[in-house]
Amino acid sequence: DIQMTQSPSSVSASVGDRVTITCRASQGISSWLAWYQQKPGKAPKLLIYAASSLQSGVPSRFSGSESGTDFTLTISSLQPEDFATYYCQEAYSSLRTFGQGTKVEIK
Amino acid sequence: QVQLQESGPGLVKPSQTLSLTCTVSGDSITSGSYYWSWIRQPAGKGLELVGRFYSSGSTIYSPSLKSRVTISVDTSKNQFSLKLTSVTAADTAVYYCARDPGYGFDSWGQGTLVTVSS
Repeated sequence: DIQMTQSPSSVSASVGDRVTITCRASQGISSWLAWYQQKPGKAPKLLIYAASSLQSGVPSRFSGSESGTDFTLTISSLQPEDFATYYCQEAYSSLRTFGQGTKVEIK
Repeated sequence: QVQLQESGPGLVKPSQTLSLTCTVSGDSITSGSYYWSWIRQPAGKGLELVGRFYSSGSTIYSPSLKSRVTISVDTSKNQFSLKLTSVTAADTAVYYCARDPGYGFDSWGQGTLVTVSS
Protein backbone atom coordinates (compact mmCIF):
# COMPACT_ATOMS: atom_id res chain seq x y z
CA ASP A 1 0.00 0.00 0.00
CA ILE A 2 1.09 3.56 -0.68
CA GLN A 3 1.80 5.68 2.39
CA MET A 4 1.40 9.46 2.30
CA THR A 5 3.40 11.45 4.85
CA GLN A 6 2.50 15.10 5.38
CA SER A 7 4.57 17.71 7.14
CA PRO A 8 4.28 19.67 9.27
CA SER A 9 1.31 18.38 11.27
CA SER A 10 0.50 21.96 12.19
CA VAL A 11 1.71 25.44 11.30
CA SER A 12 1.04 28.81 12.90
CA ALA A 13 0.92 31.70 10.48
CA SER A 14 -0.36 35.22 10.09
CA VAL A 15 -2.59 36.75 7.45
CA GLY A 16 -0.43 37.57 4.44
CA ASP A 17 2.17 34.89 5.17
CA ARG A 18 3.35 32.37 2.60
CA VAL A 19 2.59 28.85 3.78
CA THR A 20 4.06 25.63 2.41
CA ILE A 21 2.86 22.11 3.18
CA THR A 22 4.69 19.01 2.00
CA CYS A 23 3.48 15.51 1.22
CA ARG A 24 5.76 12.56 0.46
CA ALA A 25 4.59 9.39 -1.23
CA SER A 26 6.16 6.05 -0.25
CA GLN A 27 6.48 5.12 -3.93
CA GLY A 28 6.15 6.78 -7.29
CA ILE A 29 2.65 8.06 -8.05
CA SER A 30 3.48 10.14 -11.11
CA SER A 31 1.36 13.30 -10.79
CA TRP A 32 -1.62 11.53 -9.24
CA LEU A 33 -1.87 13.78 -6.21
CA ALA A 34 -4.72 15.92 -4.90
CA TRP A 35 -4.95 18.51 -2.13
CA TYR A 36 -8.02 19.30 -0.02
CA GLN A 37 -9.05 21.97 2.47
CA GLN A 38 -11.34 21.01 5.35
CA LYS A 39 -12.97 23.38 7.79
CA PRO A 40 -14.52 22.19 11.08
CA GLY A 41 -17.82 20.38 10.59
CA LYS A 42 -17.55 20.52 6.80
CA ALA A 43 -16.66 18.08 4.05
CA PRO A 44 -13.24 18.42 2.45
CA LYS A 45 -12.99 20.65 -0.62
CA LEU A 46 -10.81 19.75 -3.59
CA LEU A 47 -8.22 22.47 -4.23
CA ILE A 48 -5.60 20.93 -6.49
CA TYR A 49 -5.57 17.80 -8.64
CA ALA A 50 -2.92 16.20 -10.83
CA ALA A 51 -0.33 17.74 -8.46
CA SER A 52 -0.60 21.25 -9.88
CA SER A 53 -3.98 21.79 -11.58
CA LEU A 54 -6.24 24.26 -9.82
CA GLN A 55 -9.82 23.08 -9.31
CA SER A 56 -12.43 25.41 -10.79
CA GLY A 57 -13.35 28.26 -8.45
CA VAL A 58 -10.28 27.91 -6.21
CA PRO A 59 -8.32 31.15 -5.68
CA SER A 60 -5.03 31.46 -7.51
CA ARG A 61 -3.11 31.98 -4.25
CA PHE A 62 -3.23 28.18 -3.95
CA SER A 63 -0.69 26.28 -6.02
CA GLY A 64 0.81 22.82 -6.16
CA SER A 65 4.13 21.43 -7.33
CA GLU A 66 5.99 18.15 -7.41
CA SER A 67 9.51 16.81 -7.37
CA GLY A 68 9.74 13.06 -7.67
CA THR A 69 7.68 11.64 -4.80
CA ASP A 70 7.57 14.96 -2.93
CA PHE A 71 4.59 17.25 -3.41
CA THR A 72 4.01 20.77 -2.13
CA LEU A 73 0.95 22.89 -1.54
CA THR A 74 1.68 26.61 -1.32
CA ILE A 75 -0.62 29.38 -0.17
CA SER A 76 1.06 32.53 -1.44
CA SER A 77 -0.66 35.03 0.85
CA LEU A 78 -2.70 33.52 3.67
CA GLN A 79 -6.21 34.89 4.01
CA PRO A 80 -8.51 34.66 7.07
CA GLU A 81 -10.68 32.07 5.33
CA ASP A 82 -7.66 29.82 4.73
CA PHE A 83 -7.29 28.74 8.34
CA ALA A 84 -8.25 25.09 8.08
CA THR A 85 -6.81 21.58 7.86
CA TYR A 86 -5.24 20.49 4.58
CA TYR A 87 -4.91 16.93 3.31
CA CYS A 88 -3.02 15.38 0.44
CA GLN A 89 -4.34 12.25 -1.27
CA GLU A 90 -2.83 9.92 -3.84
CA ALA A 91 -5.04 9.11 -6.81
CA TYR A 92 -2.62 6.50 -8.21
CA SER A 93 -3.89 3.42 -6.40
CA SER A 94 -7.38 2.07 -5.91
CA LEU A 95 -7.19 2.81 -2.17
CA ARG A 96 -6.87 6.60 -2.57
CA THR A 97 -4.72 7.02 0.58
CA PHE A 98 -4.81 10.37 2.39
CA GLY A 99 -2.06 12.07 4.32
CA GLN A 100 -2.63 12.66 8.03
CA GLY A 101 -3.41 16.35 7.60
CA THR A 102 -1.81 19.72 8.34
CA LYS A 103 -3.64 22.23 10.50
CA VAL A 104 -3.02 25.87 9.60
CA GLU A 105 -3.61 27.97 12.69
CA ILE A 106 -3.67 31.66 13.44
CA LYS A 107 -0.40 32.95 14.89
CA GLN B 1 -24.22 20.57 -10.54
CA VAL B 2 -24.04 17.21 -8.83
CA GLN B 3 -25.23 16.95 -5.23
CA LEU B 4 -24.79 14.04 -2.82
CA GLN B 5 -26.73 13.47 0.40
CA GLU B 6 -26.08 10.79 3.01
CA SER B 7 -28.88 9.31 5.08
CA GLY B 8 -29.22 6.61 7.72
CA PRO B 9 -29.26 5.95 11.45
CA GLY B 10 -26.95 8.04 13.57
CA LEU B 11 -26.70 5.42 16.30
CA VAL B 12 -25.86 1.75 15.86
CA LYS B 13 -25.36 -0.84 18.57
CA PRO B 14 -22.10 -2.82 18.78
CA SER B 15 -22.07 -6.02 16.69
CA GLN B 16 -24.94 -4.75 14.53
CA THR B 17 -24.89 -3.51 10.94
CA LEU B 18 -24.31 0.09 9.90
CA SER B 19 -26.40 1.02 6.85
CA LEU B 20 -26.13 4.31 4.97
CA THR B 21 -27.50 5.54 1.66
CA CYS B 22 -26.16 8.25 -0.63
CA THR B 23 -28.69 9.92 -2.90
CA VAL B 24 -27.19 11.58 -5.96
CA SER B 25 -28.84 14.37 -7.92
CA GLY B 26 -27.61 16.24 -10.97
CA ASP B 27 -25.72 13.24 -12.36
CA SER B 28 -26.39 9.56 -13.07
CA ILE B 29 -24.35 7.06 -11.06
CA THR B 30 -24.37 4.68 -14.04
CA SER B 31 -23.12 7.06 -16.70
CA GLY B 32 -19.79 8.71 -17.14
CA SER B 33 -16.40 7.67 -15.84
CA TYR B 34 -16.80 8.18 -12.12
CA TYR B 35 -15.99 6.28 -8.97
CA TRP B 36 -18.72 6.67 -6.37
CA SER B 37 -17.17 6.36 -2.95
CA TRP B 38 -17.66 6.10 0.79
CA ILE B 39 -15.07 7.83 3.00
CA ARG B 40 -15.04 8.04 6.77
CA GLN B 41 -13.40 10.27 9.34
CA PRO B 42 -13.26 9.49 13.07
CA ALA B 43 -13.49 12.55 15.28
CA GLY B 44 -10.27 14.54 15.22
CA LYS B 45 -8.63 12.11 12.81
CA GLY B 46 -7.88 11.74 9.13
CA LEU B 47 -9.78 10.47 6.12
CA GLU B 48 -10.08 6.83 5.05
CA LEU B 49 -11.61 5.36 1.92
CA VAL B 50 -14.12 2.69 2.96
CA GLY B 51 -14.92 1.56 -0.57
CA ARG B 52 -16.09 2.62 -3.97
CA PHE B 53 -17.76 1.39 -7.11
CA TYR B 54 -17.22 2.32 -10.71
CA SER B 55 -20.08 3.12 -13.06
CA SER B 56 -19.29 -0.13 -14.90
CA GLY B 57 -20.14 -2.04 -11.72
CA SER B 58 -16.75 -3.00 -10.25
CA THR B 59 -16.14 -2.39 -6.54
CA ILE B 60 -13.07 -1.81 -4.38
CA TYR B 61 -13.01 -2.08 -0.58
CA SER B 62 -10.49 -1.04 2.03
CA PRO B 63 -8.40 -4.13 2.85
CA SER B 64 -8.90 -3.52 6.57
CA LEU B 65 -12.71 -3.50 6.17
CA LYS B 66 -13.14 -5.85 3.22
CA SER B 67 -14.60 -8.73 5.21
CA ARG B 68 -17.33 -6.51 6.67
CA VAL B 69 -18.29 -4.01 3.98
CA THR B 70 -20.62 -4.10 0.99
CA ILE B 71 -21.49 -1.30 -1.42
CA SER B 72 -24.63 -1.73 -3.47
CA VAL B 73 -26.41 0.35 -6.07
CA ASP B 74 -30.07 1.21 -6.75
CA THR B 75 -30.06 2.67 -10.24
CA SER B 76 -33.81 3.33 -10.19
CA LYS B 77 -33.34 5.76 -7.31
CA ASN B 78 -29.85 6.97 -8.33
CA GLN B 79 -28.56 5.86 -4.93
CA PHE B 80 -25.69 3.81 -3.62
CA SER B 81 -25.51 2.27 -0.19
CA LEU B 82 -23.00 1.14 2.38
CA LYS B 83 -23.37 -1.78 4.75
CA LEU B 84 -20.77 -2.42 7.44
CA THR B 85 -21.36 -5.46 9.61
CA SER B 86 -20.23 -6.35 13.13
CA VAL B 87 -19.50 -2.75 14.06
CA THR B 88 -17.48 -1.70 17.09
CA ALA B 89 -16.70 1.65 18.68
CA ALA B 90 -13.79 1.95 16.24
CA ASP B 91 -16.33 2.39 13.43
CA THR B 92 -17.69 5.57 15.00
CA ALA B 93 -17.03 8.31 12.47
CA VAL B 94 -18.46 10.85 10.09
CA TYR B 95 -19.25 9.00 6.89
CA TYR B 96 -19.12 10.87 3.59
CA CYS B 97 -20.17 9.84 0.13
CA ALA B 98 -18.21 11.42 -2.70
CA ARG B 99 -17.66 11.39 -6.46
CA ASP B 100 -14.22 10.72 -7.91
CA PRO B 101 -13.58 11.45 -11.62
CA GLY B 102 -10.27 9.61 -11.29
CA TYR B 103 -8.05 12.42 -10.10
CA GLY B 104 -9.60 13.20 -6.70
CA PHE B 105 -12.92 13.65 -4.93
CA ASP B 106 -14.54 16.64 -6.57
CA SER B 107 -17.99 16.46 -5.00
CA TRP B 108 -18.91 15.44 -1.45
CA GLY B 109 -21.99 14.97 0.64
CA GLN B 110 -22.25 16.95 3.87
CA GLY B 111 -21.38 13.87 5.92
CA THR B 112 -23.33 11.98 8.55
CA LEU B 113 -22.13 11.07 12.03
CA VAL B 114 -22.57 7.43 12.98
CA THR B 115 -21.97 6.53 16.60
CA VAL B 116 -21.55 2.92 17.68
CA SER B 117 -22.77 2.58 21.24
CA SER B 118 -25.12 0.48 23.31
